[in-house]
Amino acid sequence: EVQLVESGGDLVQPGRSLRLSCAASGFTFDEHAMHWVRQAPGRGLEWVSGINWNSGSRGYADSVKGRFTISRDNAKNSLYLQLNSLRAADTALYYCAKDITHYYDSSGYSAFDMWGQGTMVTVSS
Amino acid sequence: EIVLTQSPATLSLSPGERTTLSCRASQSVSSYLAWYQQKPGQAPRLLIYDASNRATGIPARFSGSGSGTDFTLTISSLEPEDFAVYYCQQRSNWPPEYTFGQGTKLEIK
Repeated sequence: EVQLVESGGDLVQPGRSLRLSCAASGFTFDEHAMHWVRQAPGRGLEWVSGINWNSGSRGYADSVKGRFTISRDNAKNSLYLQLNSLRAADTALYYCAKDITHYYDSSGYSAFDMWGQGTMVTVSS
Repeated sequence: EIVLTQSPATLSLSPGERTTLSCRASQSVSSYLAWYQQKPGQAPRLLIYDASNRATGIPARFSGSGSGTDFTLTISSLEPEDFAVYYCQQRSNWPPEYTFGQGTKLEIK
């Protein structure tokens, strides 16, 4: 079965750190770019970060640049997101998503054809 | 940053009706637009990519069209399970970043 399972979400105080993980199965993980997308309670979708199949390039939304770091371990079929200097505005359900292409930053079309169920991050004192 | 504007915000229709959802980009995105469906408590599901290509397993009643700045998602005959929120999404080439529209909620009349 094709599956993405996120973990690591928690209630944390502002300024603290958290590491999210996403375990992939049922597809060839190292052939696809991967992304993190978040959704604040009752709000729409916001792309957070993406990474190429080989970790050769990665990118971030302006709202998280300099605070969040995306990484992957193809040997473990896993995607990660390190969240530092957390703010209340980072409170959201964080989804891991699989790209239909190899590269998050190539020209041409891209789309997210598989999503996990999400892991909740709550930033509050 | 490319902004995607979806309209209408809410649409109230009955099963069996045909509907068209709109997504307008603040600048050209060529055909690099995708559509997603999200039901309450569920992750989004990819419907359409590259403006008009149905994703695997998506019923033929869903179709996408458009290029440049104006795109539409058409559902030819609404089924009860189609009532959900729909998002469009684009990827800009440089800097590479992705944006979503604010969503259109399709509700049962």
